[in-house]
This record gives sequence, C-alpha cells and structure tokens, in this order.
Amino acid sequence: GQNIDQPTEMTATEGAIVQINCTYQTSGFNGLFWYQQHAGEAPTFLSYNVLDGLEEKGRFSSFLSRSKGYSYLLLKELQMKDSASYLCAVNAGNNRKLIWGLGTSLAVNP
Amino acid sequence: EAQVTQNPRYLITVTGKKLTVTCSQNMNHEYMSWYRQDPGLGLRQIYYSMNVEVTDKGDVPEGYKVSRKEKRNFPLILESPSPNQTSLYFCASSLDRNSANYYGYTFGSGTRLTVV
Repeated sequence: GQNIDQPTEMTATEGAIVQINCTYQTSGFNGLFWYQQHAGEAPTFLSYNVLDGLEEKGRFSSFLSRSKGYSYLLLKELQMKDSASYLCAVNAGNNRKLIWGLGTSLAVNP
Repeated sequence: EAQVTQNPRYLITVTGKKLTVTCSQNMNHEYMSWYRQDPGLGLRQIYYSMNVEVTDKGDVPEGYKVSRKEKRNFPLILESPSPNQTSLYFCASSLDRNSANYYGYTFGSGTRLTVV
C-alpha cells in the first residue's frame, strides 16, 4: 500500500531550528512536496524535491533520500508565525495524484 | 492576482438538500481537484480533472459529483448531503500533469460545510 509517516506534534522555541521528518512507502515516486497549513486555512506550497539532496529556500530547507524513502523539512530562526501544520505529500506517479501525510503540528513557543 | 476562488467559505445545510460548492481559477490551469480534510484522516481526494470534460474519481467519491465544462470552473455537487459529509473542503489546481510535480498545487481558501 501507499503510506506516509510524519510525527503528529512537535514543539520548539522561537529562534531555534527544528527538523520535521517524513518517511514514505509508495508504489512509485515522482517527487515529494512540503506544504504549510495554518489552522482553518488552505495549505500553501513550501518546497518540492525530486532528486536526492538538499534544497534551500530562505529559512526553510528540504532534504530527500529516495533510497531511504525519507525527507525532512528544516526550519531555521523559528518565528511565532511558523506555528502551523506541515504536510508531507508524495506524487506516486499514479494519475499524478498526491499521497498525503497527516501532517505535523508545530508549536513555536516564546 | 493568480488564485483559486471557492464559494461559499461557510455553509450550514440540512440533510438531503442539494448544494453546489463553486471553484474557479484564473491561471489557465489544466488540472483541478477536490479534497476533503477531516481530523485524523488528513486530506483525501474526492474527484479530479485533467482537463475540460475529463474527470475521474479520487479516493472518496461517494456522494459527490463534479463537472468540468470550462477550463476555469470545477464545481463540487452534493446531490443529497448527509451528516458524514460535514468537513472542510478544498479545491486545488495545477498547470498540467507534468508541471504539477514542480510547481505544486494552488489551493482555494476552503469551504467549511456542516450538514445537520
């Protein structure tokens, strides 16, 4: 079957660094996405990885290892507004549908 | 401004009363999709459309209908809503089957539906 695992909840302190992990088992792979979703709002696109390695975008970076079925999202210099749910999603190549994780709820404390 | 527009944002209705949630995008995107999001279950795809007049079922299509008569519009129809369809609904769009991999999906702002 298709499965994506990520921690349910994490907490961190303002100004710190946090790493949110995602592991996946899918029948195919055409790329991995990270989305940010504030409570009651729409998910917004953060990053996309299709090749192994690290992609950096300002305070956010995303890493992929296809052989391990593993990705992480790294958030640096945390701000209160980073408190949100972070969703990992994989395009498994089946009708271009995304397989979604349940999300990691991140709480940033002062 | 490039966006996906959903209406209404909030809707309370009664069991069995037909309703339509509209979705419109101004980005000339080919691919559009409907999701529902429920606590503990995450985002689940209801229907998707690769292009005009091309629609297909997602993971949870029962009780829903869609149509794609124009590229920009992708309405979600609940012919006879039931309480188990109470959920947060999102419409999403992307350029095409290949570009969806790189650019990601653009989501509408969501519709919170309550069926009593």
